[in-house]
Amino acid sequence: QVTLRESGPALVKPTQTLTLTCTFSGFSLSTRGMCVSWIRQPPGKALEWLALIDWDDDLFYISSLRTRLTISKDTSKNQVVLTMTNMDPVDTATYYCARTTSVGTGYYQMDVWGQGTTVTVSS
Amino acid sequence: DIQMTQSPSSLSASVGDRVTITCQASEDISKSLNWYQQKPGKAPKLLIYAASNLEIGVPSRFSGSGSGTHFTFTISSLQPEDVATYYCQQYDNLPPLLFTFGPGTKVDIK
Repeated sequence: QVTLRESGPALVKPTQTLTLTCTFSGFSLSTRGMCVSWIRQPPGKALEWLALIDWDDDLFYISSLRTRLTISKDTSKNQVVLTMTNMDPVDTATYYCARTTSVGTGYYQMDVWGQGTTVTVSS
Repeated sequence: DIQMTQSPSSLSASVGDRVTITCQASEDISKSLNWYQQKPGKAPKLLIYAASNLEIGVPSRFSGSGSGTHFTFTISSLQPEDVATYYCQQYDNLPPLLFTFGPGTKVDIK
């Protein structure tokens, strides 16, 4: 059974750095075709993909936040970490991690999601 | 970056009705499109991948079609448990890999 769980602070102050951890089980991030994505959702708004790390250590980021985001993995611990610098109240959102699998020739799908963790940015 | 439009933004239909949602990409994305269902307070759930493939365990009343720039998601017979927001998601898998979600369609029961 594949599971993912997000963890991190519920409250951060403006300008601080947010560090979120995705701990997963049921698959290995060293297996070809396996990736983990981070996605966020501000209250009442749509989903926004943030970053992806794949089995080959390739890293991909949303263009608008590229300079603030870092994604990394610890394969031995089955964890993926996302850091976001210079947090602002507009970054208040529920943050999800999701297993993203590469199927066939260039097809990707976010097939298993964590429950999400809510982060509020406020002084 | 590729832009996604999704319509309608919300709809209300009766149980048993056929419901259709469309998603349009600003560029040809072949079949690089997925559909997700999100119930209130829950994480999204994958329903359809690669435009028309039903995820394992998803009821057959859900279906997807299309390629290129125009895509359609259909619920053939709306059920009360289908009340949710539905999102299309495209990805540009020419490097760099980038994902974009549509703005969502909120579906409820009339």
